[in-house]
Amino acid sequence: GAVVSQHPSWVICKSGTSVKIECRSLDFQATTMFWYRQFPKQSLMLMATSNEGSKATYEQGVEKDKFLINHASLTLSTLTVTSAHPEDSSFYICSAFPGTLAYEQYFGPGTRLTVT
Amino acid sequence: RKEVEQDPGPFNVPEGATVAFNCTYSNSASQSFFWYRQDCRKEPKLLMSVYSSGNEDGRFTAQLNRASQYISLLIRDSKLSDSATYLCVVNQAGTALIFGKGTTLSVSS
Repeated sequence: GAVVSQHPSWVICKSGTSVKIECRSLDFQATTMFWYRQFPKQSLMLMATSNEGSKATYEQGVEKDKFLINHASLTLSTLTVTSAHPEDSSFYICSAFPGTLAYEQYFGPGTRLTVT
Repeated sequence: RKEVEQDPGPFNVPEGATVAFNCTYSNSASQSFFWYRQDCRKEPKLLMSVYSSGNEDGRFTAQLNRASQYISLLIRDSKLSDSATYLCVVNQAGTALIFGKGTTLSVSS
């Protein structure tokens, strides 16, 4: 089956620093990748849609200058949390869409970010 | 109104019990429907797709009623390993998945 990796799996950083999270599709090309965020006891909330070679589309309320998304190739998308604050502490999950089926998406294992 | 609504539970049931979860969605243009399972601190994993005709996978049965925009999941003969959060998910072709908040199930011996 299709595999999506995320790196790092968890990270602890100090307030004010930036953190980059990588999402890779290992055995398929992903025309679209989605970035989600999940706070404790909450549902996964879509942050942005990332298409290879174009600017990401951000959901309402998500600051594009704070959450920088780069989809440089068909197998890699990165999310950079800039000037992280404790309220950014969350579980960040990417999913990759190969574009072959209407709905099939594959999730990465997630990155747990803790900002102190 | 949230796009996908679920009863958060928790549902605490003994092994062997039958339990049902419900979900409603607000966007009538939704085309695809799923139940995902999420274990604590893990990514969600697809449990099953949901079709209008209803579908069954072992102990799991899913139903969809497009007219009332309602989705259900029935788990028969619950096992300890079924303890997890069950997420109701909808989407349109090629778009991001819209997740419900999830319903927590705890199965005890």
